[in-house]
Amino acid sequence: DQQVKQNSPSLSVQEGRISILNCDYTNSMFDYFLWYKKYPAEGPTFLISISSIKDKNEDGRFTVFLNKSAKHLSLHIVPSQPGDSAVYFCAASPNSGGSNYKLTFGKGTLLTVNP
Amino acid sequence: GAGVSQSPSNKVTEKGKDVELRCDPISGHTALYWYRQRLGQGLEFLIYFQGNSAPDKSGLPSDRFSAERTGESVSTLTIQRTQQEDSAVYLCASSGKEGTWGRPPPFGPGTRLTVL
Repeated sequence: DQQVKQNSPSLSVQEGRISILNCDYTNSMFDYFLWYKKYPAEGPTFLISISSIKDKNEDGRFTVFLNKSAKHLSLHIVPSQPGDSAVYFCAASPNSGGSNYKLTFGKGTLLTVNP
Repeated sequence: GAGVSQSPSNKVTEKGKDVELRCDPISGHTALYWYRQRLGQGLEFLIYFQGNSAPDKSGLPSDRFSAERTGESVSTLTIQRTQQEDSAVYLCASSGKEGTWGRPPPFGPGTRLTVL
């Protein structure tokens, strides 16, 4: 039973446009959410996170939105750049604090940004 | 500074053989995590070490999997009698003993294990 779902295996956008990556979760105990980016042959790199007490977190071109009632979060990348092409993973944790990073990951979405 | 390193980067083995994967955490990091990513899947938590506390082994998929870590040093993940379904990228991450959510721990580059 998948607790974190990324229903789009892939997404293709034009350079300069907005990329929107979606993630749904089923476990009500999750209260901290993260997005990771992964290039081939490299480990995942942390991108941005959001706590359940917020509905939006912004960092440069990246914004994460959280809709707790819908158990849905999304990552917006504006403007998209070719270097953003990678697999993006959504992850969730029931811990709102502490150093336990026992995360549940989605299967990932391959983003391709075309020049 | 140096990040998390893992060795080997690639390992091909025959079904039934044992393998050992190594993770060198960032110096001074007390917490260490192993995850794996099978083809087309998300990362799966395997095991978590925090200092000298008993590890959280709840993610290990079978008793063929074990991991060791002495203090805050290197960790080895051992898979005995490997099966084809063990083929995956095995990823390690480490973090300091922060009490609040800081920047999540960085992952190493992973070891790609292929069981023939």
